[in-house]
Amino acid sequence: DAGITQSPRHKVTETGTPVTLRCHQTENHRYMYWYRQDPGHGLRLIHYSYGVKDTDKGEVSDGYSVSRSKTEDFLLTLESATSSQTSVYFCAISELEGEDEQYFGPGTRLTVT
Amino acid sequence: GESVGLHLPTLSVQEGDNSIINCAYSNSASDYFIWYKQESGKGPQFIIDIRSNMDKRQGQRVTVLLNKTVKHLSLQIAATQPGDSAVYFCAENKKWKPNSGYSTLTFGKGTMLLVSP
Repeated sequence: DAGITQSPRHKVTETGTPVTLRCHQTENHRYMYWYRQDPGHGLRLIHYSYGVKDTDKGEVSDGYSVSRSKTEDFLLTLESATSSQTSVYFCAISELEGEDEQYFGPGTRLTVT
Repeated sequence: GESVGLHLPTLSVQEGDNSIINCAYSNSASDYFIWYKQESGKGPQFIIDIRSNMDKRQGQRVTVLLNKTVKHLSLQIAATQPGDSAVYFCAENKKWKPNSGYSTLTFGKGTMLLVSP
């Protein structure tokens, strides 16, 4: 398995609180991605990074921010969590962009009450 | 929590049968496609990929077929086993923002494969 870890693996939080999810890789891959997965929607891209301090918005970026200060770490922050952000969040990495396999982490299940 | 597998189209087969999972993609400019397998409670795992200059690619017990004319992908699994039970996603690379300098993978909603012993 590709060396990708996510923390925490499960979190329950209250509406309005800030939440940060962490993705850590040991593969030294340039590209990192955050997705959310919801029933009926599949995997949807939230934000991605194409290098340290280089990030861009994905399809469903509203309410989320990201930071990448080191190659190995990509953080996803929910500034003020809402119930609509209850989901399973996956981090992925790839060596190349576009035409390249993405390796996925184990996921974080986030529940906002 | 609710499983990602709910609300998905489902293919039920018997152990030993061949399975065919289909996927329609949206962008005629997409030139790279991947199939992923996702078991309950885990992240998606790469199965096989294909580039648009090919019509067919074979792996171990799996074959992907690409029909660019009708924008259709299929995944064939030979001699399906109970361990193949999972949700299967196709993905295409495309620039989801027209002026973006980068392309990313866009995923289909998936098909659940159930294999009975």
